[in-house]
Amino acid sequence: GAGVSQSPRYKVAKRGQDVALRCDPISGHVSLFWYQQALGQGPEFLTYFQNEAQLDKSGLPSDRFFAERPEGSVSTLKIQRTQQEDSAVYLCASSRRAWSNQPQHFGDGTRLSIL
Amino acid sequence: KQEVTQIPAALSVPEGENLVLNCSFTDSAIYNLQWFRQDPGKGLTSLLLIQSSQREQTSGRLNASLDKSSGRSTLYIAASQPGDSATYLCAVSRPPQGGSEKLVFGKGTKLTVNP
Repeated sequence: GAGVSQSPRYKVAKRGQDVALRCDPISGHVSLFWYQQALGQGPEFLTYFQNEAQLDKSGLPSDRFFAERPEGSVSTLKIQRTQQEDSAVYLCASSRRAWSNQPQHFGDGTRLSIL
Repeated sequence: KQEVTQIPAALSVPEGENLVLNCSFTDSAIYNLQWFRQDPGKGLTSLLLIQSSQREQTSGRLNASLDKSSGRSTLYIAASQPGDSATYLCAVSRPPQGGSEKLVFGKGTKLTVNP
């Protein structure tokens, strides 16, 4: 597709369940980012991939959060044993290549609600 | 730690007015600064990217300026229209030696343009 695609758009889970969120970046984009956006706040960085390599995971809030991009294209963000504070919009962004002053292109996000 | 502040948090103007949104950041060692627009329930749309060596960028009715030494940027919107109503987010990235090209965001300015 022409843009970054995320699925599902909405996800409701019970506390303690595991969830998986998918991101399809723009074809050929090397860099992929995950951000978390709480209501009324700006997005906060979670993790960064350059191709299949996870080069920065400094923003992951706990070891319950795990991300992968095994073939350097599609990425999955997994949250284990979800808690209510995990409720947020999870945004994925991609850019053509690193350190090239190219803008990051964002998907519409997955809105996660933990009951 | 880089912190980004946006003032005002909300702004309501009549159609046709020119307006200025403000962004400040605490660490002047940035790689670039980006302005985004976010519509309700949607992802972020890149508006303008200013490289650290540049002073301003223009796109249509939008003009963004950057004063890196003082840690400030402004987004000027000329002849505002109801379709400009959205939340505007400012974000900065740090230089390559500082790690990944992750963005640090402000909380945004919610703009309403009244017909």
